[in-house]
Amino acid sequence: VQLVQSGAEVERAGSSVKVSCKASGGAFSSYAIHWFRQAPGQGLEWMGGIIPIFGAPNYAEKFQGRVTITADAFTSTAYMELSRLRSEDTALYYCARGLSAAGTWFDPWGQGTLVTVSS
Amino acid sequence: DILMTQSPSTLSASVGDRVTITCRASQSISSWLAWYQQKPGKAPNLLIYKASTLASGVPSRFSGSGSGTEFTLTISSLQPDDSASYYCQQYDSNSPYTFGQGTKLEIK
Repeated sequence: VQLVQSGAEVERAGSSVKVSCKASGGAFSSYAIHWFRQAPGQGLEWMGGIIPIFGAPNYAEKFQGRVTITADAFTSTAYMELSRLRSEDTALYYCARGLSAAGTWFDPWGQGTLVTVSS
Repeated sequence: DILMTQSPSTLSASVGDRVTITCRASQSISSWLAWYQQKPGKAPNLLIYKASTLASGVPSRFSGSGSGTEFTLTISSLQPDDSASYYCQQYDSNSPYTFGQGTKLEIK
C-alpha cells in the first residue's frame, strides 16, 4: 500500500487546516490510519488515529478539542483537520498505517505535508 | 504517558563500525517497541517491530534487542547509506504512542 498526502498549506493563525491521505494498492478500511507531526528539527508526535471500517477516532489528549480525524472508505482517503491554529503548529504532518487503533507500529508512512502557520 | 529516552543524541562513526543506539522506557513496555530510520526531508521508515523483528526489506545488518524498559538498535557494519536519524517508538496498548527524541547518526 502507498499513502499519498495533499500538498503544502500556508494558513493564518486562528484558522483551520485539513490534510488528506489517500491510500492505494492495498486494503484501507480494515487497517488504522494514524496522524503525526514533526516540528522543524524536532521529534515525532502522535496526534490520533482512526479505523475507517469502525469510524470512531481516538485522539492524543494534547489535541483533544482541536483535531478531527475522519475517513472515507469509498475513496480510501483519511483526513486530519486541525483548528485554532497557532504558530507552534507549524510542522510536517504525516499519516501512517497501523494494524489497529492501539498497540501497533506504523508502516508505511505518507510523504508528509508541510503546514506553515503565519501570524 | 510513557517517556522514551534515547542515547546518544548524536553519534559519529566510520564505515564498517558496529553502532549501538539505546532506548529506555519510563515503565515496562514488554517488547512493544519499534525502530524507525528517517533521512532528511523524508518520512520515517520502519526498521524493526516487537523489539527484534526485522521489517520486510530491511538489511540484515540492522538488529534490535531488549525487553521491559531497555532496548538497543545495532548496526553490525555501518554503511554510508545509514546516515540518518533513528527513533524508537513504544506501542503499549494501555498508553498513548510516544517516541524517543531521536539519535542523529553521521558517517565520519
